[in-house]
Amino acid sequence: QLQLQESGPGLVKPSETLSLTCAVSGASISSDVHYWDWIRQPPGKGLEWIATIHYSGPTYYNPSLRSRVIISVDTSKNQFSLRLSSVTAADTAVYYCTRHTRDSGDFSWGQGTLLTVSS
Amino acid sequence: QTVVTQEPSFSVSPGGTVTLTCGLTSGSVSNSHCPSWYQQTPGQAPRTLIYNTNILSSGVPDRFSGSILGNKVALTITGAQADDESDYYCVLYMGSGLWVFGGGTRLTVL
Repeated sequence: QLQLQESGPGLVKPSETLSLTCAVSGASISSDVHYWDWIRQPPGKGLEWIATIHYSGPTYYNPSLRSRVIISVDTSKNQFSLRLSSVTAADTAVYYCTRHTRDSGDFSWGQGTLLTVSS
Repeated sequence: QTVVTQEPSFSVSPGGTVTLTCGLTSGSVSNSHCPSWYQQTPGQAPRTLIYNTNILSSGVPDRFSGSILGNKVALTITGAQADDESDYYCVLYMGSGLWVFGGGTRLTVL
């Protein structure tokens, strides 16, 4: 059974770069039909798709975040990661890692990790 | 920029039927948008209810259903129960690998 587990620093300072990792278990990240995503939710607000990656390399980014985001995959560790640079308080959110199937909105969700941006 | 629209809030009586919708500020929603619905209760991760317009996710009761309704996509709950009181989000695939979520609907069962 697929399990997705996010990990991150919990607290970062403004202007710093945040790094989050999603450990995948119960499935191979090197699946041809699956894509791996990051989605976030600021406190009390809605969901925002951030980025998607396929293990073979293609990446896709939310245009509003593209200049600050890098998504990457490590097939040897069966995990994928997110780096978000120049963070501000507006980046404070619960960050979810997810998986979806090609041509499908069937997202499977991790439990999420809260990231707070504060000095 | 196209925005995905949802009713901010809705209420339904226990046992009643409610239809939530998800649309676009420009254009119509179609199956090619892979419209999907998620339920979220406070403090929990979202749970997939319906994907690709009308496919029920595993373990979701069949009182949840999805459809195209005019130029929007709809989530219908038949026989609403108290534990259906949640936030509901839709997502649309906009092409080129991009997904956009609606702002969510807070459903009250009372």
